[in-house]
Parts: sequence; structure tokens; C-alpha cells
Amino acid sequence: DAKTTQPNSMESNEEEPVHLPCNHSTISGTDYIHWYRQLPSQGPEYVIHGLTSNVNNRMASLAIAEDRKSSTLILHRATLRDAAVYYCILRSANAGKSTFGDGTTLTVKP
Amino acid sequence: NAGVTQTPKFRVLKTGQSMTLLCAQDMNHEYMYWYRQDPGMGLRLIHYSVGEGTTAKGEVPDGYNVSRLKKQNFLLGLESAAPSQTSVYFCASSPYRSSYNEQFFGPGTRLTVL
Repeated sequence: DAKTTQPNSMESNEEEPVHLPCNHSTISGTDYIHWYRQLPSQGPEYVIHGLTSNVNNRMASLAIAEDRKSSTLILHRATLRDAAVYYCILRSANAGKSTFGDGTTLTVKP
Repeated sequence: NAGVTQTPKFRVLKTGQSMTLLCAQDMNHEYMYWYRQDPGMGLRLIHYSVGEGTTAKGEVPDGYNVSRLKKQNFLLGLESAAPSQTSVYFCASSPYRSSYNEQFFGPGTRLTVL
């Protein structure tokens, strides 16, 4: 199964951009790259997803490497409310292959 | 819309007891999922369903059973609870294939097995 690798933790200052990396060297051609985040004591929340091209939405941007073996979630201006665990996940057409890794804990300093 | 709701929010069981966790969604989603999350770890898929009347095993199905008798409900059962099943359980749903659709998660059920 395709796996993702993320740093355990990252820190950022408030109102500065944050780049959260994810490696997925065994990604298959039909896998979508999804990002979720989980605030303390809550269920995960969808952030963004993409297949090949970079994606933007109101929450974040997703930059996908040309070979698709890595991606970066970009929070343009971190706020204290962005402090959470961020998960990079590969989604395949097989619904059973849906694994969350341990994610990156983002700390935002005022 | 209430989205995805889970019942109960908290539960304490003794070893060997049984219980059922209920997940309900009002978004008319086809796919539903049950995950568990142990302290400091990511989510692991227990079982999932791609439609009413169908279920399938995920990554860690042992010790659990599920049923999807109605499209809006997905039940997770523990027939004989064990301390290793102490965890937070999350239910999720998605419109169709989760590969290109977002999943909507419930608030979780915190289960302790003594």
C-alpha cells in the first residue's frame, strides 16, 4: 500500500506562511492526495485534495511535485486557530485503502 | 444539516461486555466509514460501506462487526469488548468514492474498556 511520510512536528509564527511537506514516493497513478487536519478533541476536517495540478481553495494551497512523489500544503497566513495535526493521505479507487499516518503537529506561536 | 452524528459520545465498558455505536448522516452519502484513533496516533480504518446493505473490512476489522441496513445509518458493534479496544472511534461519510471526494467526520465516541 502507498504510504506517506510527514515530519512529526512543525512550528510557525502567527500571520506567516507555513509549508507542510509530505513524501509519497510509492504513489500510484490513480491515487489522489488529500489533506485533513484535526483540532484537539475533534474529528478530522477536510482541507484540500488534488491529483496532478496545484490546487487552491479558501483554506489553503496544495503544491504537487511534477513526479507526484511529494506534495506541500501551504497555509498562506497561519493563525492560532490553524494549530492542529495535519494529515497527508493517499486515496485510491479502493475505498478500503484509506490510511492515515501519524501526521504533523503544527504549533502556531503568537 | 446536522452532518455526521455519533451516539454515544462517551462510554465505559467492562471486559466482555457488548455495545453498539451508531453513526448517522443526513447528506444522502453513499459511502460510510468507521475509524479508530489511539492516543497520539493517526486514524485506522475498521470497516466501511459503499452502499446500503453492503459492508467491507478495512485495516483493523478484528473484534468488530458492522451493519448498514439504512443508507443514513452505519452501526459498529463490539460483541465482547477488550481493553485493547479502548480508543476514540470516528465515523465518516462521503458522497461517492473517497478518492476524489472529501470525507465528512463525526465528533467521535470515546470508549474505555476496563
